[in-house]
Amino acid sequence: DQQVKQNSPSLSVQEGRISILNCDYTNSMFDYFLWYKKYPAEGPTFLISISSIKDKNEDGRFTVFLNKSAKHLSLHIVPSQPGDSAVYFCAASNDNQGGKLIFGQGTELSVKP
Amino acid sequence: NAGVTQTPKFQVLKTGQSMTLQCAQDMNHNSMYWYRQDPGMGLRLIYYSASEGTTDKGEVPNGYNVSRLNKREFSLRLESAAPSQTSVYFCASSASYEQYFGPGTRLTVT
Repeated sequence: DQQVKQNSPSLSVQEGRISILNCDYTNSMFDYFLWYKKYPAEGPTFLISISSIKDKNEDGRFTVFLNKSAKHLSLHIVPSQPGDSAVYFCAASNDNQGGKLIFGQGTELSVKP
Repeated sequence: NAGVTQTPKFQVLKTGQSMTLQCAQDMNHNSMYWYRQDPGMGLRLIYYSASEGTTDKGEVPNGYNVSRLNKREFSLRLESAAPSQTSVYFCASSASYEQYFGPGTRLTVT
């Protein structure tokens, strides 16, 4: 069973507008959530994270929101830039998993000039 | 400070051949991981090593073996490659929740 799901394989946004990427999870034991960004032919790079004791974390143009009751998190990018075009993965972990991350399938974001 | 390095970058194997993918990190991290990435499947954990001298199976370990040679190096071996193992392989290391990834190895098995 897929414990972390990204139901939108792709998203297209105009430059300067907001990009919203969504992620759902099923395991209520997850206590830490991360977003990674991946360009073609490169490894994923860490973008932003949030602990389950918070509901929002902001870093520049990137904000992650966590809704524990809905088991849902989202990544907001404002304003979107063409360089943000990449595949975005959400990931989840809990302290009992020894640092293992469970990844979603990824959402490919395309930001058009 | 190179971070996480992987060799080779590309490899083509015939069914039944064996090979070892190498990974090294210079961040003094205790934990290291091997993932495979397939279209529409995200990143799936093959094996991980929480510390030097220990290894554990992940989600998709069948057909693979690993060796944690020392704190820096974690290798992944395919003993008898199969077409289903055609994928992009990523190595990662971490000291806490955030994992740092290498550039990947693109493997094709014909």
